[in-house]
Amino acid sequence: AQRVTQPEKLLSVFKGAPVELKCNYSYSGSPELFWYVQYSRQRLQLLLRHISRESIKGFTADLNKGETSFHLKKPFAQEEDSAMYYCALKGGPGSGNTPLVFGKGTRLSVIA
Amino acid sequence: AAGVIQSPRHLIKEKRETATLKCYPIPRHDTVYWYQQGPGQDPQFLISFYEKMQSDKGSIPDRFSAQQFSDYHSELNMSSLELGDSALYFCASSRSRGDTQYFGPGTRLTVL
Repeated sequence: AQRVTQPEKLLSVFKGAPVELKCNYSYSGSPELFWYVQYSRQRLQLLLRHISRESIKGFTADLNKGETSFHLKKPFAQEEDSAMYYCALKGGPGSGNTPLVFGKGTRLSVIA
Repeated sequence: AAGVIQSPRHLIKEKRETATLKCYPIPRHDTVYWYQQGPGQDPQFLISFYEKMQSDKGSIPDRFSAQQFSDYHSELNMSSLELGDSALYFCASSRSRGDTQYFGPGTRLTVL
């Protein structure tokens, strides 16, 4: 079964501190992993996808197939990073039109 | 760049009424997904369409139905509304099956 686990419901850090939002997944095939961010009362915005291997707003995430993890990291947190972060999974190429399976989300609060 | 458009943004209905939510995908996107996000919950997949045909089905109640039209916009029809249907309903679109999903701003449905 497909499952995404975000163990932390809430993460509070001071401005300028490093941030790591944890995400573990369970999937029998070859998945695609994403991080979406939801600012207060706004739409879900795509932040990162593992196939792009890019850095957005200073965030990076590396897919670790051995540990089945896709943790989101940023070296220096900013107040504007405060939001809800969702890790999501879907089937990789060849799996068809699969919907996203989301984790429960982690609320990041960056304190000045 | 054009984004996914959802209408209306807010909707208040009474129990047992019906509601119709509309979604206009990004131009040239042929796939539409519907998700339901209850208060404090992660988004849950309801249903998806590819090229005007139902593609995948999630936890969509029998009281709900949806379709995708020739111009690729989609409508989610909800009947016999219940208090538990109060949620944020997101629509997402992708360029093709399995491609990255981009979310609309959501329709906040409140059932009184």
